[in-house]
Amino acid sequence: DSGVTQTPKHLITATGQRVTLRCSPRSGDLSVYWYQQSLDQGLQFLIQYYNGEERAKGNILERFSAQQFPDLHSELNLSSLELGDSALYFCASSVAQGAYEQYFGPGTRLTVT
Amino acid sequence: GQNIDQPTEMTATEGAIVQINCTYQTSGFNGLFWYQQHAGEAPTFLSYNVLDGLEEKGRFSSFLSRSKGYSYLLLKELQMKDSASYLCAVRALFSGGYNKLIFGAGTRLAVHP
Repeated sequence: DSGVTQTPKHLITATGQRVTLRCSPRSGDLSVYWYQQSLDQGLQFLIQYYNGEERAKGNILERFSAQQFPDLHSELNLSSLELGDSALYFCASSVAQGAYEQYFGPGTRLTVT
Repeated sequence: GQNIDQPTEMTATEGAIVQINCTYQTSGFNGLFWYQQHAGEAPTFLSYNVLDGLEEKGRFSSFLSRSKGYSYLLLKELQMKDSASYLCAVRALFSGGYNKLIFGAGTRLAVHP
């Protein structure tokens, strides 16, 4: 158990819908990272927040957005969902902002039908 | 651009030694991680190399050559539970002054009795 929690574990929704994935980092960690892992793409970095502020951006679509709240939990919002958005979404956390050793949550499996 | 290559699949026998290679081409290189990921689970941290040479941690060792853009993960005394995907990830400094982790597609290792 890494200490990072993610909810929900599984999510099934229809195309065109919007969903919110939630992540709570390890106690004391200020950085939160979001990753997407699909079968054909591997683990893709989406976005990073550090202490409430956006720090680094990866291959995040405009339909996706994220934020980190004062209590340091983070939410990833996915809208206008497409079949290709079906994937495992991982959240990771670290103490510092420099993308050092990251601890991954168990992931949310999103299925878009 | 960033490019990370590792073999897609490998097989090995219980009790044996296996070496998983990773080559990378990246600007702003700032270190290399190895993660282990069992199917459907979160990646877990194995090792971090930022300087050239070998880092040993129990049955697992990781080597880095920055001049060659090359790393390997060495697994000794293989056990059935070592059957998993092994992800090579490069930490790189991007414009904006932030580091990101770029993951390879992973090497799926199957350990047979």
